[in-house]
Amino acid sequence: QPVLTQPPSSSASPGESARLTCTLPSDINVANYNIYWYRQKPGSPPRYLLYYYSDSDRGQGSGVPSRFSGSKDASTNTGILLISGLQSEDEADYYCMIWPASNALGIFGGGTKLTVL
Amino acid sequence: QVQLQESGPGLVKPSETLSLTCTVSGGSVTSYYWNWIRQPPGKGPEWIGLIEYSGSPRHNPSLKSRVTISLDTSKNQFSLKLSSVTAADTAVYYCARGRNLQFDYWGQGALVTVSS
Repeated sequence: QPVLTQPPSSSASPGESARLTCTLPSDINVANYNIYWYRQKPGSPPRYLLYYYSDSDRGQGSGVPSRFSGSKDASTNTGILLISGLQSEDEADYYCMIWPASNALGIFGGGTKLTVL
Repeated sequence: QVQLQESGPGLVKPSETLSLTCTVSGGSVTSYYWNWIRQPPGKGPEWIGLIEYSGSPRHNPSLKSRVTISLDTSKNQFSLKLSSVTAADTAVYYCARGRNLQFDYWGQGALVTVSS
């Protein structure tokens, strides 16, 4: 089962931007997959934020503000979640996910705990 | 508004079968697809499997053949059975609706502890 690698932690100050990464294994090309992002606060289920395939193929979850956006970095085979204008309420765990079609199963990353200082 | 609620025993003995039911309100299980996801304490989520009205269930191969997911349209519910459980199966179990490969509605989760 492939592993999606996320840094365990990240921090930024209110009003700044946070860039959270999700690195795919070398045998899965990020260019070919939707990257899904979820946010989870303590004691609650994950909440769907958005997916990103390309600038022309992306989607925002219901009620998710536009300051949450996705992108990819092909050079590092990485999916990226960018959160601009950080707010204290953005402090949470963030998980990426993909659906490798060959296995037809969903795979989550290990998550990044974002601290808003 | 779609709502999901997990129910089932919170404690299961090792080697026994874990059984959970997800009751869906505000929508029909004959549309979309319905997932089970679990999250061990302090760890990330793990997708267990899914079922849809018109197709065969699918599950995470890492769980081998221990998983059974079924649908009861008369009760608007779907269920999970996980056999031969060990302490490694201790987790919060979530049910979630799947739409376009997104999990857009989730239950609040049910903590299941495997212990004798």
